[in-house]
Amino acid sequence: ETGVTQTPRHLVMGMTNKKSLKCEQHLGHNAMYWYKQSAKKPLELMFVYSLEERVENNSVPSRFSPECPNSSHLFLHLHTLQPEDSALYLCASSQEGGGVGPSSYNEQFFGPGTRLTVL
Amino acid sequence: RKEVEQDPGPFNVPEGATVAFNCTYSNSASQSFFWYRQDCRKEPKLLMSVYSSGNEDGRFTAQLNRASQYISLLIRDSKLSDSATYLCVVNMASGTYKYIFGTGTRLKVLA
Repeated sequence: ETGVTQTPRHLVMGMTNKKSLKCEQHLGHNAMYWYKQSAKKPLELMFVYSLEERVENNSVPSRFSPECPNSSHLFLHLHTLQPEDSALYLCASSQEGGGVGPSSYNEQFFGPGTRLTVL
Repeated sequence: RKEVEQDPGPFNVPEGATVAFNCTYSNSASQSFFWYRQDCRKEPKLLMSVYSSGNEDGRFTAQLNRASQYISLLIRDSKLSDSATYLCVVNMASGTYKYIFGTGTRLKVLA
């Protein structure tokens, strides 16, 4: 058990729907991430929150809207998605030291993912 | 050139074989390096971090070569359960949370 949970595990939605993905980490970490994994492509970083502040936004379309109400919870709000948005959405958390050098960056722990299908 | 590059495989090896994967990275300022394992339709799980001096964990050995900008993973005495995709992950620069993933190398261990 990784200590990072995601709901729902599977989601099918139409292009006009609005839905939200939820992630919760029980590890006491201070950073949380959303990734997208499409078939035969590497994981793509979408958003990063550190201490509840968004620190990375990798040119993600506005139809994806993240929310981090506290250090343990992360949401991804979805609206008017396209079929090409169908993918596995993974949440991760890590404890970041904030200093310089390898010891400042620790491994990420992933949730089981939400497999999203947009019709 | 891709930021992190891996041979996608698949590497098909018999049980008991030794297999090695390499991963190259483009940013010489990269700080941290990891190998993750991902089983089919599951999330990535950390296999091991890669330290400058190299490190070993049982049958797995990881090496870092900063001069040539690559990391390697060696698996000895392969087991059927080692069949998975192995992801190379690089943290690109100090002060960022930018972890870059390779596409992964697929390993199949055959009975």
